[in-house]
Amino acid sequence: AQKITQTQPGMFVQEKEAVTLDCTYDTSDPSYGLFWYKQPSSGEMIFLIYQGSYDQQNATEGRYSLNFQKARKSANLVISASQLGDSAMYFCAMREGTTSGTYKYIFGTGTRLKVLA
Amino acid sequence: DTEVTQTPKHLVMGMTNKKSLKCEQHMGHRAMYWYKQKAKKPPELMFVYSYEKLSINESVPSRFSPECPNSSLLNLHLHALQPEDSALYLCASSQESIAGGTDTQYFGPGTRLTVL
Repeated sequence: AQKITQTQPGMFVQEKEAVTLDCTYDTSDPSYGLFWYKQPSSGEMIFLIYQGSYDQQNATEGRYSLNFQKARKSANLVISASQLGDSAMYFCAMREGTTSGTYKYIFGTGTRLKVLA
Repeated sequence: DTEVTQTPKHLVMGMTNKKSLKCEQHMGHRAMYWYKQKAKKPPELMFVYSYEKLSINESVPSRFSPECPNSSLLNLHLHALQPEDSALYLCASSQESIAGGTDTQYFGPGTRLTVL
């Protein structure tokens, strides 16, 4: 079963507008972490923002904020004031424990964002 | 500093060649990861080392052989690869703190591998 779901394969946004990228997750573990990464065409995965399952407030990092709705199991990324450099693939990921004691990071299928001038 | 370095940036190899990918981090992280990523797909986990011991092997073919010589270094030895192994290979590291906490995975820039 898909543990991380990103339903938007592609999104367009006008420069300077805000955009929301959707992510839903599935886990029975009460302790987990949720992450968003940006991957430009160069290939590097850039960490953007983190939300812990016990965090009471939504995470924010500059123009990025995470709309965390625990009961709905959603962790949407909001990018405010979009810039041309925001055009990239965006991956939602979840950290979960394993029987070996090591953490695994499960990735969604990604959303390709294109910012229009 | 959240830097993970990978060498080489690009690699072209024949199916009979032996080559190695190298990954290094100096953040004191105790977990290191290898991922394979095909175009327009999410990264697929291959191996995880925790405290220099192989912790997870996601049923990767034996033509890929990981090695963790010390806590800062991770290698991926390649031998007798197939053209379908052509992909972006990403290395990552994380603190591996108890109970997770704010443990975050940081990635290197990747090695683009082409197998002819």
